[in-house]
Amino acid sequence: NAGVTQTPKFQVLKTGQSMTLQCAQDMNHNSMYWYRQDPGMGLRLIYYSASEGTTDKGEVPNGYNVSRLNKREFSLRLESAAPSQTSVYFCASSEGGRANTEAFFGQGTRLTVV
Amino acid sequence: AQSVTQPDIHITVSEGASLELRCNYSYGATPYLFWYVQSPGQGLQLLLKYFSGDTLVQGIKGFEAEFKRSQSSFNLRKPSVHWSDAAEYFCAVGRGSGGYQKVTFGTGTKLQVIP
Repeated sequence: NAGVTQTPKFQVLKTGQSMTLQCAQDMNHNSMYWYRQDPGMGLRLIYYSASEGTTDKGEVPNGYNVSRLNKREFSLRLESAAPSQTSVYFCASSEGGRANTEAFFGQGTRLTVV
Repeated sequence: AQSVTQPDIHITVSEGASLELRCNYSYGATPYLFWYVQSPGQGLQLLLKYFSGDTLVQGIKGFEAEFKRSQSSFNLRKPSVHWSDAAEYFCAVGRGSGGYQKVTFGTGTKLQVIP
């Protein structure tokens, strides 16, 4: 009964370093999402994958890349981290297709770029 | 473009008191509306949702929300707040087609519960 699992939970990077945030869901959902959460700004969509094999940009994609590895896994990569990417990152999944399906969220990754 | 406004950044209530969190949205057609709760260090959890039908929606943990089209509002209420309700609450609006990537979240209201 894991739902959406994100790793790692915490990470500190130096400016210019790269890293990949991992996300996996066990609910057989078609759609997966990456959000960032910043104080006073709510959740903003970085990238999403409406179905296996497809990815699209969200509201704030610059500086990020994603891979939908299979139906279960959706990773987010920071190629060259910047202090502006300090944030809490959430992965989510939903059945997809229409917005009347609930989205399930992981517990988040707190990333600090120094 | 759709948008969501949560005018209260922070609210403090006493345990046992009633609660109302405000949410106003902007959307051209009948919206899909959601309330999510985020406990400290956790991801978001769906409290309730409105798509159509009865404008008073019941959710989990004793919460309810009322859709008022004339006021473009979807306020969240609870008759008696418990200390465990301390969390951040997010209102969200979306449209039917296009999936969850078309859902816009508000900036959140942080609820503090005092004894």
